[in-house]
This record gives sequence, C-alpha cells and structure tokens, in this order.
Amino acid sequence: DADVTQTPRNRITKTGKRIMLECSQTKGHDRMYWYRQDPGLGLRLIYYSFDVKDINKGEISDGYSVSRQAQAKFSLSLESAIPNQTALYFCATSDPGLADYSTDTQYFGPGTRLTVL
Amino acid sequence: AQTVTQSQPEMSVQEAETVTLSCTYDTSESDYYLFWYKQPPSRQMILVIRQEAYKQQNATENRFSVNFQKAAKSFSLKISDSQLGDAAMYFCAYRRGAQGGSEKLVFGKGTKLTVNP
Repeated sequence: DADVTQTPRNRITKTGKRIMLECSQTKGHDRMYWYRQDPGLGLRLIYYSFDVKDINKGEISDGYSVSRQAQAKFSLSLESAIPNQTALYFCATSDPGLADYSTDTQYFGPGTRLTVL
Repeated sequence: AQTVTQSQPEMSVQEAETVTLSCTYDTSESDYYLFWYKQPPSRQMILVIRQEAYKQQNATENRFSVNFQKAAKSFSLKISDSQLGDAAMYFCAYRRGAQGGSEKLVFGKGTKLTVNP
C-alpha cells in the first residue's frame, strides 16, 4: 500500500463549487504539505502543517483553506473554485525526527488532477 | 529569495548512454539541501537523490549521481546506463536548513528527459 494517498485522483468541477481534496499518510510523519503544479512552473507551496495545531500559509494560499483532522490526515479545500485553480495538486509529508532528520526529506502522494470549468 | 533554474527544458539520450541534467540555484544561505525528483507519466513525484550542502562528497544512488559545485551554485544530475524507465520530467529542488524557512521546497521548472531505444 502507498504511504501517502490522495483522493480523488481526478476531479472535474464547475466554477463556484466547493471542493475538498484529501490526503492520508501511513508514514507516521508529523509534517504535511500541499503543493500545486502548473505546466512550466514547477511546484508551489499552498499550505503546510507541522502538527495538528500548527497550520501555516505557503506562497500561494489565497483561495484555499486546509484542515488537519489528525496526524495522518490533511485536507485542502477550495471554497469557491475558479478556472485558474485548474492544476495538479500534491500532498507531501516529512518528519525531521526520523532517519531523514538531516534533510527533512519530503515524500509525495500520487497527485490529484483538478479541472475547474 | 531563493531561486532554482533548470536551463534545459528538454533532453534526450540513447538507451544505455549517459546524460547530465543541469541545475543552478541562487541563495545566500550556507545551510541548505538539494534534491532531484523524478515525475514519470504516472504523475508521481519520486525522490531520486539528495545532497547536503555541508557535505563535499557528491551523492550517488545506483545509476544516479550528482556533481555538486557549491561555489558555482551548481547541482547537476548524471544518469548512467540510461533505461527506458528513466524517461520522465526531472525537477531540481532546494530547501533551506533547519533554522527557519525549512518547510518550503523551491522547485525548478523541470527538464523533460526522453530515452530513445
């Protein structure tokens, strides 16, 4: 089984709809992240959470909100989707307390392709 | 602000040959980490290799190795004995050290690698 899972894998929605993307992990990591990938732009950080009570904005948080329901679950919401939020969304996890302490390496889920019409 | 530049939007290599992907970065920090991620058509972001800036020795992982030139702020990826499964987008990424700002991976725009049989 995958360590980091994302649901749904693909979603098509309409402008103005509320959308929730979910991320779950079995790696036991404390830190979780949401990134957005647009063609030709690489990945950009939307939100990150270092534990259940610690949530922080990334560089492109406008139009998004998040919820950290448990150590293993981190959801991303688009309250009112717009077409320029069409992108590939990635969840990632890391934990500096484990073997990767020296690098706090981030491990990514499979991504959710979201299309807003 | 830190930036990561991948100057080769596309590269191609013959199967079994060697190819080098370029990456340069800009930072004023002394403590940081560098990564190469692979994104095959499945969309999954897969960690290929990582390098700690304080280490002089270049990282290697099987057929993958890096040429880390700290003074030149260069971090190239060499793939030896290229295989068809190496065909993917490759992203170079930078992360500051643990003293703040370490949550964010800064990505380059990627290099698309084609492997010809």
